Amino acid sequence: DIVMTQSPDSLAVSLGERATINCRSSQSVLYNANSKNYLAWFQQKPGQPPKLLIHWASTRESGVPDRFSGSGSGTDFTLTISSLQAEDVAVYYCQQYYSIPYSFGPGTKVDI
Amino acid sequence: EVQLVQSGAEVNKPGESLEISCKGSGYNFSTYWIGWVRQMPGKGLEWMGIIYGGDSDTRYSPSFQGQVTISADKSISTAYLRWSSLKASDTAIYYCARHSLATVTADTFAIWGQGTLVTVSS
Repeated sequence: DIVMTQSPDSLAVSLGERATINCRSSQSVLYNANSKNYLAWFQQKPGQPPKLLIHWASTRESGVPDRFSGSGSGTDFTLTISSLQAEDVAVYYCQQYYSIPYSFGPGTKVDI
Repeated sequence: EVQLVQSGAEVNKPGESLEISCKGSGYNFSTYWIGWVRQMPGKGLEWMGIIYGGDSDTRYSPSFQGQVTISADKSISTAYLRWSSLKASDTAIYYCARHSLATVTADTFAIWGQGTLVTVSS
């Protein structure tokens, strides 16, 4: 099974400042045949289901603000919130969908 | 509008059986994978397994294989998660979720249900 890790466990960022969350997979999630990284990022606010923000490591879902961006390849990935807004307070999870079970990272809590 | 609507909260005793449901609407149920995710109280997300709506081909996480049964009835666009004998450790919110792309197995969850809280207590 692929094990996902995230760092930090939590972070506090001032409004308007940048937040950076790291995600690492225990083996590469890059499929060489199509050059795609099978890595997604989710946002979960209290009392709500998770929301898909980014898939293929860097493709934003429709309607997701462009202050959210994903980068990385192979085993190391980053989610960046360029200018934190109050509504971005949430827990963020990465997930690999390269091989079953499609495991999630443990989550990173972002606060103001 | 594409949506997944889950059955309501459950309170059960250890040893009881339980089945919760997830009804899809606004899309062709038969052409998408739909799955289940567990979230224990105050904890993170755990991928349990997926089922293909068209032929009920099912893939489980080893952690959940034999502990739960995932099934689907395409005639009513509904997926199910079933326990034959609940344990207190099954207490959690269970989310159903649909893959982003039709027919694609290696995919992530783009559409989520609202979650079903299952509480197991004597």
